[in-house]
Amino acid sequence: DTGVSQNPRHKITKRGQNVTFRCDPISEHNRLYWYRQTLGQGPEFLTYFQNEAQLEKSRLLSDRFSAERPKGSFSTLEIQRTEQGDSAMYLCASSLKGVEETQYFGPGTRLLVL
Amino acid sequence: AQTVTQSQPEMSVQEAETVTLSCTYDTSENNYYLFWYKQPPSRQMILVIRQEAYKQQNATENRFSVNFQKAAKSFSLKISDSQLGDTAMYFCATISNFGNEKLTFGTGTRLTIIP
Repeated sequence: DTGVSQNPRHKITKRGQNVTFRCDPISEHNRLYWYRQTLGQGPEFLTYFQNEAQLEKSRLLSDRFSAERPKGSFSTLEIQRTEQGDSAMYLCASSLKGVEETQYFGPGTRLLVL
Repeated sequence: AQTVTQSQPEMSVQEAETVTLSCTYDTSENNYYLFWYKQPPSRQMILVIRQEAYKQQNATENRFSVNFQKAAKSFSLKISDSQLGDTAMYFCATISNFGNEKLTFGTGTRLTIIP
């Protein structure tokens, strides 16, 4: 296992369509995080899981966003009825709670909503 | 709430020179961690260096070192003998040891190493 992976790397969609992104964390990591990064800004927290439990959601995560982590392994982030304002890089990170607080990031999924 | 401020949007330096990136933060926590992450153009974010707030000794990783001033809530990154591969966005970030589990990032500094 070489790190956090995310698919797809790029997604172009039309406004109003639904999109789903996948994140595979480092295999032994129990924490998984989603962040959103817009151009020229630092990443902003969206939500995180410990194992399969979703422990916190940012107010940035509107009702159109949903995230899951079934069985505490990979995670999916779905955006329903996409809007142009959803265009951003969506980053996933994972960490091993109780061992170290460092979060390791995936390459991200760049979303463009037309 | 935690905040992180990076006051230098862009910097450039000649190859082999030393450069220091500034970061200040605000937190009400006593136990927290500080990080510098590097994000090269079109590539993923990678950890450069981390510092536990309870440790007084400044962290170092090869050519990278920090100047951690806890009372001043300052956490600067020094890159020695800069290399072309150091060209990237650099983000300062903090996380609390408990409770608030999310990383709070600054807006980043775009560093360009000039050949």
